[in-house]
Amino acid sequence: QQPVQSPQAVILREGEDAVINCSSSKALYSVHWYRQKHGEAPVFLMILLKGGEQKGHEKISASFNEKKQQSSLYLTASQLSYSGTYFCGSSGGGNKLTFGTGTQLKVEL
Amino acid sequence: DVKVTQSSRYLVKRTGEKVFLECVQDMDHENMFWYRQDPGLGLRLIYFSYDVKMKEKGDIPEGYSVSREKKERFSLILESASTNQTSMYLCASSQGFSIGEQFFGPGTRLTVL
Repeated sequence: QQPVQSPQAVILREGEDAVINCSSSKALYSVHWYRQKHGEAPVFLMILLKGGEQKGHEKISASFNEKKQQSSLYLTASQLSYSGTYFCGSSGGGNKLTFGTGTQLKVEL
Repeated sequence: DVKVTQSSRYLVKRTGEKVFLECVQDMDHENMFWYRQDPGLGLRLIYFSYDVKMKEKGDIPEGYSVSREKKERFSLILESASTNQTSMYLCASSQGFSIGEQFFGPGTRLTVL
């Protein structure tokens, strides 16, 4: 079952902050975040692992609540380049990743 | 610069045709994946492979098969294409046994008439 993302879409003015949430009905070993710009391939942002380890880009922050099986991606001081569709992916372990349906983010001047 | 390439950006086929989508990665990655992307449904995993000649079903394998004869190449096969397989198909690869960063190809937009 796909993780549920919220909101489905959000529009920001440049400089504003946003939070994207990802919730799974299954126990999670890791949560992954990707961003896809229009017409391009998804690009890796971050992995959050059970136990607190994180791997990702310096300017992106996220949290992972193992008990609630939820993750949140924090976008601060948004820039025009942040626009795109954000996907979370959940893994219970192993090689399989199940992606959510995506959150469309648009940053305007 | 790491690369995942897909054989075609756009493909138009007729119902009932056999369709091959090819994916090649140059990073010596163990794992390779095929997803389809549809509006409102996100990325859904069709099949993945963790080694040459090894494959596992994803969430929506019906109507598809795969082949991995060489480490760098992963093929998705539609034995008899149908209109409901019209979609964007994305290939990805990653390294190592446990799930890691996935590198995606540019995608193939397949239209089945």
